[in-house]
Amino acid sequence: QKEVEQDPGPLSVPEGAIVSLNCTYSNSAFQYFMWYRQYSRKGPELLMYTYSSGNKEDGRFTAQVDKSSKYISLFIRDSQPSDSATYLCAMSVKDTDKLIFGTGTRLQVFP
Amino acid sequence: GAVVSQHPSRVICKSGTSVKIECRSLDFQATTMFWYRQFPKQSLMLMATSNEGSKATYEQGVEKDKFLINHASLTLSTLTVTSAHPEDSSFYICSARGALVQGLGGYTFGSGTRLTVV
Repeated sequence: QKEVEQDPGPLSVPEGAIVSLNCTYSNSAFQYFMWYRQYSRKGPELLMYTYSSGNKEDGRFTAQVDKSSKYISLFIRDSQPSDSATYLCAMSVKDTDKLIFGTGTRLQVFP
Repeated sequence: GAVVSQHPSRVICKSGTSVKIECRSLDFQATTMFWYRQFPKQSLMLMATSNEGSKATYEQGVEKDKFLINHASLTLSTLTVTSAHPEDSSFYICSARGALVQGLGGYTFGSGTRLTVV
């Protein structure tokens, strides 16, 4: 079983839709939970990170963590074609510098 | 913000040759560099972690004699793929973290290098 599971998609939605991206994990030692966006042939860029269970909002993005269920989500409101990219969840291992990534979900927002 | 420059962005080499990939932190001192490998439709897999001036720490299953990592200065780390074979073809990405950067925002990724071994 992988430590982090993420549906690879692709997920195709119309412009303006609300997008929900999800990851599950099995390691209780994960400390921080992050979402990265990766455009084709580019390195990942950090979108949001959170530590505790609950919601964290930043503009059109909301990150949600449920530690009891070992489940994290990223919601994108009013999605735009420029949001088309691969979204990777990542988790930091407590007391280390290591990040463990999900496989990434490819999102396509069409006009 | 912090910028990490990675070169080359794409390289094609013949089987048996060696390839060097450079990763530079342009506006901060990177005390720790991470090297990842990413296969199509798969996640980033950490290969090794290097701290400036010391030997890299390799993840289980990564051949240290094949993937040579040098982190000789606070702004430059290199990954050399020695005696490359077609199965080494992949997307390699570096990530840098500075001593003065706190929190999870401190990981800055390069743009990646697409290696194709023919």
